[in-house]
Amino acid sequence: KNQVEQSPQSLIILEGKNCTLQCNYTVSPFSNLRWYKQDTGRGPVSLTIMTFSENTKSNGRYTATLDADTKQSSLHITASQLSDSASYICVVPGAYNTDKLIFGTGTRLQVFP
Amino acid sequence: ETGVTQTPRHLVMGMTNKKSLKCEQHLGHNAMYWYKQSAKKPLELMFVYNFKEQTENNSVPSRFSPECPNSSHLFLHLHTLQPEDSALYLCASSQEPLANAGETQYFGPGTRLLVL
Repeated sequence: KNQVEQSPQSLIILEGKNCTLQCNYTVSPFSNLRWYKQDTGRGPVSLTIMTFSENTKSNGRYTATLDADTKQSSLHITASQLSDSASYICVVPGAYNTDKLIFGTGTRLQVFP
Repeated sequence: ETGVTQTPRHLVMGMTNKKSLKCEQHLGHNAMYWYKQSAKKPLELMFVYNFKEQTENNSVPSRFSPECPNSSHLFLHLHTLQPEDSALYLCASSQEPLANAGETQYFGPGTRLLVL
């Protein structure tokens, strides 16, 4: 079982709608959590990095939340655009003070006009 | 563009071939990484180099051989690969090692590898 689980696996929404992606992790101790966006045929691009003391962090229309007690994070996308179609990947370090990141399998989001 | 380039973008090779993947970062970063991304699987870390020294080998088979001649260049030498090695190989870099919690990784576009 992966230490980082994401849901849903895939999601289809209409342009202009909001959506929320979920990430649950079991890694402990915990130092930070990252959300990446990966367009088809490209490498992942960092959206946010949240430390254990942060509850909410925004990057434009993207807002990430973190609950370190329940080990859950969410990524909320507001007023979706066609360019938001991508895979969104949640990432947590495998242990404290390590270069080894544990990646979720991602949520594949498709935004239709 | 992220400042990390990879060549070639696509590669088809037989199981007896030898080929190399190249990664170059133009960001002045000190840490570089190789990842493997297979279909419907999470990214898997393969190797980490900090200040040109290998600091992580994530139990990668010896048919994959990394080389880091300087902090801007990273190679992945491939020899006698198997069909199950077909995947997207991603290179990434960061200013400092990721153990520093606030570090952001910058990924290249990847090399799509097909082993026949």
